[in-house]
Parts: sequence; structure tokens; C-alpha cells
Amino acid sequence: EVQLYQSGAEVRKPGESLKISCKASGYLFTNYWVGWVRQKPGKGLEWMGIIYPSDSDTRYSPSFQGQVTISVDKSLRTAYLQWNSLKASDTAMYYCARFDGTPGSLNFFHPWGQGTLVTVSS
Amino acid sequence: QSVLTQPPSVSAAPGQKVTISCSASTRNIDKTYFSWYQQVPGTAPRLLIYDNNKRPAGIPDRFSGSWTVTSATLGITGLQTGDEADYYCGIWVDSLNSWVFGGGTKVTVL
Repeated sequence: EVQLYQSGAEVRKPGESLKISCKASGYLFTNYWVGWVRQKPGKGLEWMGIIYPSDSDTRYSPSFQGQVTISVDKSLRTAYLQWNSLKASDTAMYYCARFDGTPGSLNFFHPWGQGTLVTVSS
Repeated sequence: QSVLTQPPSVSAAPGQKVTISCSASTRNIDKTYFSWYQQVPGTAPRLLIYDNNKRPAGIPDRFSGSWTVTSATLGITGLQTGDEADYYCGIWVDSLNSWVFGGGTKVTVL
């Protein structure tokens, strides 16, 4: 069974750094892109970016370019989402999901991780 | 202007049918491979429809998708209380080199 398992909830102060993870199982990790999606409280889904584990080719949403870093560790079958300096406005639920297809072809997100809640507060 | 526009909410009685539209800005959409996602409150989204009208394993045929060159529609028949959720359309937009989600539609079962 294809599954994505995310790391647990985090609480940080503004200005601190953070790296959350998404561990894949049940499929060949290097053959599929992995994406990250933000959902602020009471709001809709926002696409942040995707990464291809085989070569770390990464595409960022213009809204998140330079604000976060997406990376992978192939040996651990794990994708990461990282902030160097968190802001209160980064408080949200973050989901990872497997992204099917080459960008621009038949694409969809399936399955999804369970989500990681990030709270940034002084 | 949003790339994908959805109505904020739709509602119907149990057993009835609802449809949710997802309208694309024509100048942005190149290929039409719409997908739809259901998010029950407090849970992660899940894929309902991909490639405009295909259902992944485990999704009942009460859920259906249709599309045109510039829009997609999700249909839910035999509405159940468990269908109360937010529904999102999504698509890759070549001209933006980005994935885009619609704003989401809340389905209420009266």
C-alpha cells in the first residue's frame, strides 16, 4: 500500500528554523514527484512546490519561492520542508502528497500524508 | 483573478444531487487534466477524481467528473451526511509552471 507518513506537530517562535518530514512507503520513491501543500486555519489548499527524488529537480510556487526549501533524502525515502526563519503567518497545516506524472502531463496528488501542524507564536 | 474559480458553497437534501463547477481562466489553461479532492473536516484531503472523470480505487460511483476545454464539474449523487466536506479542483498550468487549486466549495447536506 502506498503511504506517506509525516512528522508530528511543531511549535516554534518567530525567527526560529524548522524542518518537517514526509516518509514514503509502498512504491519506488525515486519514480514519483512529491509535493507540499499549505492550509491555513479555515482556508483553502495552497500549492507550495514539488520535488523529484531521483535528481532533486524542484519546482516552487512563486508565492513560496525563497520562503521555504524542499529537499529529499533518497536513502531514507523521505521528503522535507524547511524554513530558516519562521513567521507567525507560517502557522498552518502542511500536507505532503505523491504527485503523479511529469509536470504538465496527466497530474494529480495521491495519496496524501496525514498533515503536520506548525504553530509559530511568541 | 483566480486561475480556477469554484462556488463557495452548495447544498442539497440527503439523496439528492449536487454539482460543483471549476471554471478556468482561458488564457492560463493549456491541457485539461482536472482532478478533484475531498476534505472532510479535520482530515487530510483525498483524491476523488483524476484525468477529468476517472475514479481511484475505493471511490464510489456516486462521484463523477465531466469537463470541457476550460472547465470541470464534479457531481455527487445520492447525497449522504458523510459527503459534507470541502471539495477542491486542481490542475497543472504550463504557462505558470505551477499547480493550482480552486478556492474550494463547501458541501452541506440539509
